[in-house]
Amino acid sequence: QQPVQSPQAVILREGEDAVINCSSSKALYSVHWYRQKHGEAPVFLMILLKGGEQKGHDKISASFNEKKQQSSLYLTASQLSYSGTYFCGTVEDNDMRFGAGTRLTVKP
Amino acid sequence: DTEVTQTPKHLVMGMTNKKSLKCEQHMGHRAMYWYKQKAKKPPELMFVYSYEKLSINESVPSRFSPECPNSSLLNLHLHALQPEDSALYLCASSQVDGSYNEQFFGPGTRLTVL
Repeated sequence: QQPVQSPQAVILREGEDAVINCSSSKALYSVHWYRQKHGEAPVFLMILLKGGEQKGHDKISASFNEKKQQSSLYLTASQLSYSGTYFCGTVEDNDMRFGAGTRLTVKP
Repeated sequence: DTEVTQTPKHLVMGMTNKKSLKCEQHMGHRAMYWYKQKAKKPPELMFVYSYEKLSINESVPSRFSPECPNSSLLNLHLHALQPEDSALYLCASSQVDGSYNEQFFGPGTRLTVL
């Protein structure tokens, strides 16, 4: 079952923050976050495995709620390099389902 | 080496042609994947190989035929494709339990069917 992502698109100025949400109607084994720049392959950002988990690196972090039905990706003090399309994904038995994606544009 | 390579980068073929896409990784991953991605859409899973055996086939038409000759290589054989099959074809690999491991994606093959 494909997770639901929101918003569809975000436009930011450099230094602003953004939140991208990913939800499912049932509990997930895990949630994966990827970023894809135009014309390039998706690049892994992070995986969350446990309910209540929070993790991050640099100024990008993510959370997974206790029921494991919702995850949020937080981008703080955005940089131009953060522009791209962000996908969340859920995997069951190696069957990966991506959300529809959130197109993030960071402007100077 | 944390790279997945794909060849060719671009492919243009007619509806009667037979062609193959190739993917290679040397990270020791035993799960390999083919995805299809249309413009402004997420990647859609087509096939999964686990330990060189086909474990997932997402009801893909038979004009797409995957092959995993060994643990490092993955091919996608194409025959009698339709114009709507034009897309970016992505290969990926991971440790076997994909639920808990990241997938490494290759740069993709951009396919145009005339």
